[in-house]
Amino acid sequence: NAGVTQTPKFRVLKTGQSMTLLCAQDMNHEYMYWYRQDPGMGLRLIHYSVGEGTTAKGEVPDGYNVSRLKKQNFLLGLESAAPSQTSVYFCASSYSFRGINEQYFGPGTRLTVT
Amino acid sequence: AQRVTQPEKLLSVFKGAPVELKCNYSYSGSPELFWYVQYSRQRLQLLLRHISRESIKGFTADLNKGETSFHLKKPFAQEEDSAMYYCALLTQGGSEKLVFGKGTKLTVNP
Repeated sequence: NAGVTQTPKFRVLKTGQSMTLLCAQDMNHEYMYWYRQDPGMGLRLIHYSVGEGTTAKGEVPDGYNVSRLKKQNFLLGLESAAPSQTSVYFCASSYSFRGINEQYFGPGTRLTVT
Repeated sequence: AQRVTQPEKLLSVFKGAPVELKCNYSYSGSPELFWYVQYSRQRLQLLLRHISRESIKGFTADLNKGETSFHLKKPFAQEEDSAMYYCALLTQGGSEKLVFGKGTKLTVNP
């Protein structure tokens, strides 16, 4: 059981370049999430998905797009990277909350935009 | 509006001393709260949730609805407790999401 994995682990982009971050989970979780973690800001939700084929905006969705074509995968895209998107990106998944189940996090992707 | 406040960015204690990480929340519904921890170079993981009323690694947290608080406590801190701690609030109503506080970095000195 790999849990939640993220690809790549590190990436450096130039302003204006695009890239896709891949999140995969093998726990058959319905819910998946993308967060960004910035110093002094905690974790902020970018987008999330409550099931295959569905996505929704979180707290800071601008500049990002997502897709959930398969239940086990959740992709985060940056169409035109900006220095403000330099951050550590975490993916998470869960069955559902209801105070019982927890979110399982991936190891993170450190992105630098120059 | 839902909000989680962790007033201390940094907290430093000596080994064996008691530690309390503060968390206050703002939420109109019935709150469900969690503490997540991130050790150095590791992924975030759930430490405890108020609904379970559990003690994990010697940590406890009590939900105080009157003070809208969910402080994390441990009577005797250990060096391995050094980590980043995040308090989180579950928002409900169809699209359940976690709202995180900004985190408190705990350092336990020898």
